[in-house]
Amino acid sequence: NAGVTQTPKFQVLKTGQSMTLQCAQDMNHEYMSWYRQDPGMGLRLIHYSVGAGITDQGEVPNGYNVSRSTTEDFPLRLLSAAPSQTSVYFCASSPGTGSPGRSYEQYFGPGTRLTVT
Amino acid sequence: AQKVTQAQTEISVVEKEDVTLDCVYETRDTTYYLFWYKQPPSGELVFLIRRNSFDEQNEISGRYSWNFQKSTSSFNFTITASQVVDSAVYFCALSEVIQGAQKLVFGQGTRLTINP
Repeated sequence: NAGVTQTPKFQVLKTGQSMTLQCAQDMNHEYMSWYRQDPGMGLRLIHYSVGAGITDQGEVPNGYNVSRSTTEDFPLRLLSAAPSQTSVYFCASSPGTGSPGRSYEQYFGPGTRLTVT
Repeated sequence: AQKVTQAQTEISVVEKEDVTLDCVYETRDTTYYLFWYKQPPSGELVFLIRRNSFDEQNEISGRYSWNFQKSTSSFNFTITASQVVDSAVYFCALSEVIQGAQKLVFGQGTRLTINP
């Protein structure tokens, strides 16, 4: 299994440009999520999905869109890049979606380092 | 709201010393899960442990051990006889389940440097 893969590894955008960060997993996990990591702030949840066709917002969703047409793929779209979106982006997947009294570990991809100038 | 605090921003020790990373959390849930992740210099996030709130037994895995104390809302991580390869940023996280979906809330991370 390749686990969770992300492309590209690095990206530089100009303000106002749009792009899609790709994420795929081959573990048949229901749950997928996107986080951004900024210095001194840990990781913050952007969007998540509990299955194909179902997505929802996390803590910092503004400026990002997601879709989940298949179990394997969960792309993150930046609509109009801003310097505040300079960050490292991590995609993660989990074997379970979670229920009251039960949570599952999440497995992370290698990350995409994005710089917006 | 749920919150995780890792008060130690950076720790530096000499190889073979023992080191403890602190994690304090806040939650109103009666059932919850806590996690530790390691982020080595290469940047990936590596899952270390998951612990649920009903299990307060300490856990040991080789040189790693975890001390969960519900009374003080803490889930501390100790590395015994540290090695240079333990140098990394370590994150503590709390899982909350909202509307049928789990979400991880991370602490700010502790950068651990092990000097030879």
